[in-house]
Amino acid sequence: DAKTTQPPSMDCAEGRAANLPCNHSTISGNEYVYWYRQIHSQGPQYIIHGLKNNETNEMASLIITEDRKSSTLILPHATLRDTAVYYCIVRVASGNTPLVFGKGTRLSVIA
Amino acid sequence: DTAVSQTPKYLVTQMGNDKSIKCEQNLGHDTMYWYKQDSKKFLKIMFSYNNKELIINETVPNRFSPKSPDKAHLNLHINSLELGDSAVYFCASRQYDTLGETQYFGPGTRLLVL
Repeated sequence: DAKTTQPPSMDCAEGRAANLPCNHSTISGNEYVYWYRQIHSQGPQYIIHGLKNNETNEMASLIITEDRKSSTLILPHATLRDTAVYYCIVRVASGNTPLVFGKGTRLSVIA
Repeated sequence: DTAVSQTPKYLVTQMGNDKSIKCEQNLGHDTMYWYKQDSKKFLKIMFSYNNKELIINETVPNRFSPKSPDKAHLNLHINSLELGDSAVYFCASRQYDTLGETQYFGPGTRLLVL
């Protein structure tokens, strides 16, 4: 079972920042927070991951609270192409364990 | 230049038939997976292979048999197809380095059993 809780859906105006929350109150010390997204009819796509520090890459920023029990994925300037289901996943980075997907958040970017 | 490719993209077949789905990755990764996404859009792991060896086999009927002829390929053979096998099947490969882990997914194979 997924160890994360996400809102089922969110809307965001095009050009604005999309802030997607995730609760992971039972996260262990060696577990990372990963974000993937699935655009309609495509395979899931890696976005970003972090352990405890905030992370930023060309796609998004990840803000992790100090107690690590929740995090927020930020898409700074959402476009229509960012409409997708976003999955927050916690897991250890080592080993060959597969990703355990929850229901995710369906983000709709509106023109 | 597709990193993870799957064939076919669409597969429509009759109940009881046997079919195969192929997956290839050109990323040099050691670990590959098969995931299944059902009609309710839940994505679940089916199998995991590392260096051609089966690592994870979730509670999948033994009608499903993965085969890895080499590190770059992980194929899925399904015997005696049933209506409930209709789903989208995704192959993925795993990169693991000092920066962490990333899984790369293929485009999916849409299987419809009639």
